Amino acid sequence: DIVLTQSPRFLAVSVGERATISCKSSQRVSRSPNHQDSLAWYQVKPGHPPKLLVYWASTRELGVPERFSGSGSGTDFTLTINGLQAEDVAMYYCLQYYSPPRAFGQGTKVEV
Amino acid sequence: ENLVESGGALVQAGGSLRLSCETSGVVFGAYWMSWVRQAPGTGLEWVADIRKDGTEAHYAASVMGRFTISRDNARNSLFLQMTSLRAEDTGVYFCVRDAVPWDTATHFNLWGQGTQVTVSS
Repeated sequence: DIVLTQSPRFLAVSVGERATISCKSSQRVSRSPNHQDSLAWYQVKPGHPPKLLVYWASTRELGVPERFSGSGSGTDFTLTINGLQAEDVAMYYCLQYYSPPRAFGQGTKVEV
Repeated sequence: ENLVESGGALVQAGGSLRLSCETSGVVFGAYWMSWVRQAPGTGLEWVADIRKDGTEAHYAASVMGRFTISRDNARNSLFLQMTSLRAEDTGVYFCVRDAVPWDTATHFNLWGQGTQVTVSS
C-alpha cells in the first residue's frame, strides 16, 4: 500500500507570507501513458466537508484562488500558498489515487 | 448535485450500523464512489470505494473484514454496512464521488455533509 507522509504537521505563517507543505509518497504515483501524477490536495475547515484545491499534482480546481499551487512529480509533491490570507487557516491533506487503497497524508495544520 | 448521508448513530462497541447516501442531480452510475471518515482530533481516512458498476471494491486495512460497501444504481444510493464496531470507528463519515467518470479511480470533487457515528466502549 502507498503511504503519504506530510511535513510539517504544523505551520505558522504571517499574513502575506508563503506557506509550503510537503507530501512524500512511498511509491511513484505517475500514470501511463501521459505520466500524470495521481495526487490531489484538499483544504478542511471545521464543520465543513473537504474542499478540492489541486488535482493531478498541479491542476488548480476551478474557483480556487491563484495563490494556491501544486507542484512535484514521482514521489515528492508540494502545496504552496503564496501570500497567505487569514481565511486560509485550515488543515491541508494530500491524497493519492494512483492505486488502491487510496490514502490521505496525515494532514498539516496551517495557522496565522 | 447533492450527496446526503444518513444512518449515523450512537452504538455500543461490537454493534452494527448501516450508512446510506442518497444522491440527486448526479449521474450516479457513472462514477466510482467512496466513504471517507474523520475522527475527532485526527485526520481524514479513506475507508472504502466501489466501482461504478459495483463489481470491484477496496477497503482500508483498518476496516477490512468488518465493513462492506455496496451501491444500488437504480436507486442512486450508496451504502456502508459496518459490523464489529470499535471505539476507533467513531467519526464523521462522508459519502464522496470521484471527479471524473472513468474506469479507474480519480480524485474526489463532491462530498456530502457527513453523518456522525459514535461507538461507545
